[in-house]
Amino acid sequence: EAGVAQSPRYKIIEKRQSVAFWCNPISGHATLYWYQQILGQGPKLLIQFQNNGVVDDSQLPKDRFSAERLKGVDSTLKIQPAKLEDSAVYLCASRPTPGAGKNYEQYFGPGTRLTVT
Amino acid sequence: AQSVTQLGSHVSVSEGALVLLRCNYSSSVPPYLFWYVQYPNQGLQLLLKYTSAATLVKGINGFEAEFKKSETSFHLTKPSAHMSDAAEYFCAVSASPFSGGYNKLIFGAGTRLAVHP
Repeated sequence: EAGVAQSPRYKIIEKRQSVAFWCNPISGHATLYWYQQILGQGPKLLIQFQNNGVVDDSQLPKDRFSAERLKGVDSTLKIQPAKLEDSAVYLCASRPTPGAGKNYEQYFGPGTRLTVT
Repeated sequence: AQSVTQLGSHVSVSEGALVLLRCNYSSSVPPYLFWYVQYPNQGLQLLLKYTSAATLVKGINGFEAEFKKSETSFHLTKPSAHMSDAAEYFCAVSASPFSGGYNKLIFGAGTRLAVHP
């Protein structure tokens, strides 16, 4: 099966500009996650969707970050305006519906490396 | 609340030597535990997972880990290191889905494994 797709793979922007990332999860996966991975740290969950509803966005900086998953399939994460500290890799992951024969494993995309200058 | 501590941000071993990467967790509910590997410029790949069945878990590429509740540990081992094992390794914890919630992964800071000839 095709994996989690993300684009772009790399993005360089200046501070105060806006940027958007796209994620297409594995077909049929109901749960979608966005993680932020700062250099030298483990990934940190930003937002979790179940179908097209948000179930956890407690660590999303809502004054500048937004995310949507309108049709319950692909998702976009936006930063506006960007700050220097937003430089990181943004990882998207998806997980099949519990009870569908999969052991709650999250499958990760290759990530988008954002550099804010 | 859950957390993960990985002891040692960098580990260096000789090719053919034992690999031991340490992970200790904290969880107020029965945990699920995971080890992921990340190669440069790639997403995370699942090595193995503990989901409350056997405490000794075998994964891909010859890795295994043992869940020790009394020590709140889930250390990753491999009997003989290969050059191709050089990568960053992340330990992660989530709540068992039967305890409620949506399986958010909490990651450790990672351990970079270097393998030298």
